Parts: sequence; structure tokens; C-alpha cells
Amino acid sequence: NAGVTQTPKFQVLKTGQSMTLQCAQDMNHEYMSWYRQDPGMGLRLIHYSVGAGITDQGEVPNGYNVSRSTTEDFPLRLLSAAPSQTSVYFCASSYRDPLGFSSYEQYFGPGTRLTVT
Amino acid sequence: DAKTTQPPSMDCAEGRAANLPCNHSTISGNEYVYWYRQIHSQGPQYIIHGLKNNETNEMASLIITEDRKSSTLILPHATLRDTAVYYCIVQGAGNMLTFGGGTRLMVKP
Repeated sequence: NAGVTQTPKFQVLKTGQSMTLQCAQDMNHEYMSWYRQDPGMGLRLIHYSVGAGITDQGEVPNGYNVSRSTTEDFPLRLLSAAPSQTSVYFCASSYRDPLGFSSYEQYFGPGTRLTVT
Repeated sequence: DAKTTQPPSMDCAEGRAANLPCNHSTISGNEYVYWYRQIHSQGPQYIIHGLKNNETNEMASLIITEDRKSSTLILPHATLRDTAVYYCIVQGAGNMLTFGGGTRLMVKP
């Protein structure tokens, strides 16, 4: 298994540009999520999905859109990039108990380092 | 989800046990304690988790107090490659993880 893959590894954008960060997993995980990590800080949840066709907002969703058309893919779209979105973005996935009471380890991708100038 | 408190940094001598504490005094009955670590700027890596019993795997041991208000992650023989930021997370129903600041562990030769 490749696990969780993210592309690109690095990206530089100008203010106002849009782009999509790609995330894919080959473990048939229902749950996928996006985090951002600013320098010296912990990770903050942007958006998450509990299955194909279902997405919801996390702690810091403004300026980002997501969709989940397949189990494998969970792209993150930056609508109009701003310097405040300069960060490292991590995608994660895990199994999910339909009843919501079990716990499963989450697998993280290697990250996308985004700079907005 | 319950909040956790960890020391911001710790040092450990190579080959010795590293004991990383975590307070989670507001934890509720169905919330798990998870530990992840982040080496340099890589994606976080799962270490171990538990509900109320002590747990051990090939990486570490997790000791949870009887009242579940605190826990300790033990790396039995720390190596230089264990230098990382260690996050203690309390997770309830669902899969969302709430990361705090973590403990920066420096393993020294």
C-alpha cells in the first residue's frame, strides 16, 4: 500500500490565485481530513469527511473548499490564496466505526508546503 | 473533546527511558488517550492509544492513571531518532483529533 499520498510537495502561489491540493489513500478508509500547521504550532483541522459525498467543516474552514466524490480522494481547494494561508498542509485518513464509538489510528500524508506571496 | 496539558520540552539521554507526561483532567468515560509524534516536519505518526488499561506495543508503553486524569508515554530505550514533538490527544466519538502544542523531546548522546 502507498498509504496517504499528497501532491504537490511544494507550491508557491501569488495572492489571489487558486489551486487544488491533492490527497489520495489506498486503504479504503472512510474518514479523511485536512489539517494546516503554521510554524511552531500544532495542527488545526480545516475540513473532514466521513465518507463519499459527505463533508463538514473543522476549526479553520474559511478560504477552503472540499469535496469527496470517491472513497480514495479528498482534494482541498484554495479559492483565492492569501498570505495567511502560507502553511504546511497535511491530509489524514482512518477507518470509522459507523456508530462513532470506536477509535482508530489515523494515517498522515507527507504534507504540502505552500507559500503565498 | 477534553483538553490536554503537556510540558513544552524535555531532554532525555540516549539509551535511557523517556517518560512523557500528559494531564487530561476533564476526560470523560468514552474518550481515548492517543499519542502521536512528529519528526521534524514530517506528517504525524501514530504511536499508541488506550482507554483505561495500560497498553504496550513495539514502539512504546502507555500508562493511564486509575482516575484517567493523566497518562505517561514511555519510550523504553530512547534513540536519537526519537527526537520529535510528541502530542497527547484525547479523542471522543468520531475521528477528529485536536492537537495542542505537544512536548518537544530532545534525545541527547
